[in-house]
Amino acid sequence: ILNVEQSPQSLHVQEGDSTNFTCSFPSSNFYALHWYRWETAKSPEALFVMTLNGDEKKKGRISATLNTKEGYSYLYIKGSQPEDSATYLCAQPRGNTGKLIFGQGTTLQVKP
Amino acid sequence: DAGVIQSPRHEVTEMGQEVTLRCKPISGHNSLFWYRQTMMRGLELLIYFNNNVPIDDSGMPEDRFSAKMPNASFSTLKIQPSEPRDSAVYFCASSLAQGFNTEAFFGQGTRLTVV
Repeated sequence: ILNVEQSPQSLHVQEGDSTNFTCSFPSSNFYALHWYRWETAKSPEALFVMTLNGDEKKKGRISATLNTKEGYSYLYIKGSQPEDSATYLCAQPRGNTGKLIFGQGTTLQVKP
Repeated sequence: DAGVIQSPRHEVTEMGQEVTLRCKPISGHNSLFWYRQTMMRGLELLIYFNNNVPIDDSGMPEDRFSAKMPNASFSTLKIQPSEPRDSAVYFCASSLAQGFNTEAFFGQGTRLTVV
């Protein structure tokens, strides 16, 4: 993996469904992995910043895991609600800096 | 704090004109970033400053683009002359430090249309 890649590109689920999506990133020279949530007509907002292999972070119904050795992170949403509809971006800093390289995002649509 | 403030929110200009986008970072934040969002390339970093000094401008597409940060509370991104392919949403973001584990706070963006 040379770049930050996310899958799937888009996802449609019903209200109440649990869902997850993937961020893949170069595992060499790893410093951190960021997750952002981007609602339509708003600006991206940070969800998590993860630095340790095996780390798991949680915010309400949203959680994320990190595997730095194999270069992936999963974002989970339990019991999706329409207000969870957004684009979820992951980003990796290049080196020991704040220069974030973003994936293309996963756009989630939750139908009521 | 009002967050990162960008102006204008929308800009429509004719090809060849100069465009200036403005950004006020969150007070106390030391790092400022300019990003461009397009359908083809997603969110890409153009340039970032730390303590008002440009650190990495490798993402600036060409000489028509320039950015300045004359003080800790203000930055501009200028395009001269503008071209239709510059049409995109430009985001400014700031963070407390330039470290790898510091989250970025984004402004609302400026939607630029060059006709």
